[in-house]
Amino acid sequence: DSGVTQTPKHLITATGQRVTLRCSPRSGDLSVYWYQQSLDQGLQFLIQYYNGEERAKGNILERFSAQQFPDLHSELNLSSLELGDSALYFCASSQLQGARNTGELFFGEGSRLTVL
Amino acid sequence: AQSVTQLGSHVSVSEGALVLLRCNYSSSVPPYLFWYVQYPNQGLQLLLKYTTGATLVKGINGFEAEFKKSETSFHLTKPSAHMSDAAEYFCAVSGSGKLIFGQGTTLQVKP
Repeated sequence: DSGVTQTPKHLITATGQRVTLRCSPRSGDLSVYWYQQSLDQGLQFLIQYYNGEERAKGNILERFSAQQFPDLHSELNLSSLELGDSALYFCASSQLQGARNTGELFFGEGSRLTVL
Repeated sequence: AQSVTQLGSHVSVSEGALVLLRCNYSSSVPPYLFWYVQYPNQGLQLLLKYTTGATLVKGINGFEAEFKKSETSFHLTKPSAHMSDAAEYFCAVSGSGKLIFGQGTTLQVKP
């Protein structure tokens, strides 16, 4: 058990819909990362927050947004969903937030999104 | 910018044989390197990491990796494969505020 909790574990929805994925980081970790894992793209970094502020941004679509709340949990919002958004979405947390040294990332078990 | 390349998307070994998973990195600064493992239907778990110091790094489950700056490599090895080692393995480099992962290598262990 990594200590990172993600909900829901599975989600099936239709194209055009909006979903919210939730992540609770390990106790004491201030950094939260979101990754998307798909067969064709592999593990793609989406976005990072540190103590409520956005710190790094990757290949995140404009239809996607995220935030980190004062209690440090984070949410990833996916809207106007397309078939290609079907993937496993991972949240990870770490103690560090350095640009060069992220430290060890602890991953949740992921939220599997299926868009029909 | 940092990047990693994993050579071979699938590796198959017999139980008891040597495991060698290859990773090459690109980095303009001394890298921080990681190996993660992902078992089916689970998240990623850290196997080992290299930051500074000793270039031979030992991790969990009998795995180790050697940082070779001259070869820009960080290959993962295990002397004797076990059936439970079957999983997907990811090499990663830390940079620009995130971990940058390779495409992954699926390890198959045959009885």
